[in-house]
Amino acid sequence: AQSVSQHNHHVILSEAASLELGCNYSYGGTVNLFWYVQYPGQHLQLLLKYFSGDPLVKGIKGFEAEFIKSKFSFNLRKPSVQWSDTAEYFCAVKSTNAGKSTFGDGTTLTVKP
Amino acid sequence: SAVISQKPSRDICQRGTSLTIQCQVDSQVTMMFWYRQQPGQSLTLIATANQGSEATYESGFVIDKFPISRPNLTFSTLTVSNLSPEDSSIYLCSVALTPGLGHEQYFGPGTRLTVT
Repeated sequence: AQSVSQHNHHVILSEAASLELGCNYSYGGTVNLFWYVQYPGQHLQLLLKYFSGDPLVKGIKGFEAEFIKSKFSFNLRKPSVQWSDTAEYFCAVKSTNAGKSTFGDGTTLTVKP
Repeated sequence: SAVISQKPSRDICQRGTSLTIQCQVDSQVTMMFWYRQQPGQSLTLIATANQGSEATYESGFVIDKFPISRPNLTFSTLTVSNLSPEDSSIYLCSVALTPGLGHEQYFGPGTRLTVT
């Protein structure tokens, strides 16, 4: 069975600080990797995804993530966070031909203005 | 993409009763899922709703407690039966447009259930 581990449960940063949220997964086969974000009071939505090709993927709002296969990792980064990035972030993994994803426990990011 | 609506958005129910949650998608989708998100916790998959056949439940979830219907490719219901305070949670409907690689899931706004 696949699993996802997010290292940080709650992260507090000041505006303009750099962000890196850790995500590791356990699954031996081909996978899709996702980061989803849930802003306060809003739906869960896709931030970015990796399914093949360049392991460095860029998403919305200046976020990026790097897939390192040897480390089973898919860490999320942003060079300079904004107050509006305050949200819950979920890493997820989906195996070949499976419609459903397995989610990590989530990381709450609080950005102080 | 897919736009998903859920009804009700929230409800307060008494112990022992049931709540049925509706999920409507604006397009035909292959796969629909029901998740539970408890306060401060991640999303836990309850079941995959299969059109025209019985839902596929994850470990720890049973049909008697969480009966699911999926009469067509745009609609599904989840019933949470014999409610107890431990069922207080947010219930999310989600869809995947196709099961193959490269396709993300879309989520509804959720139904916040409080059991008293």
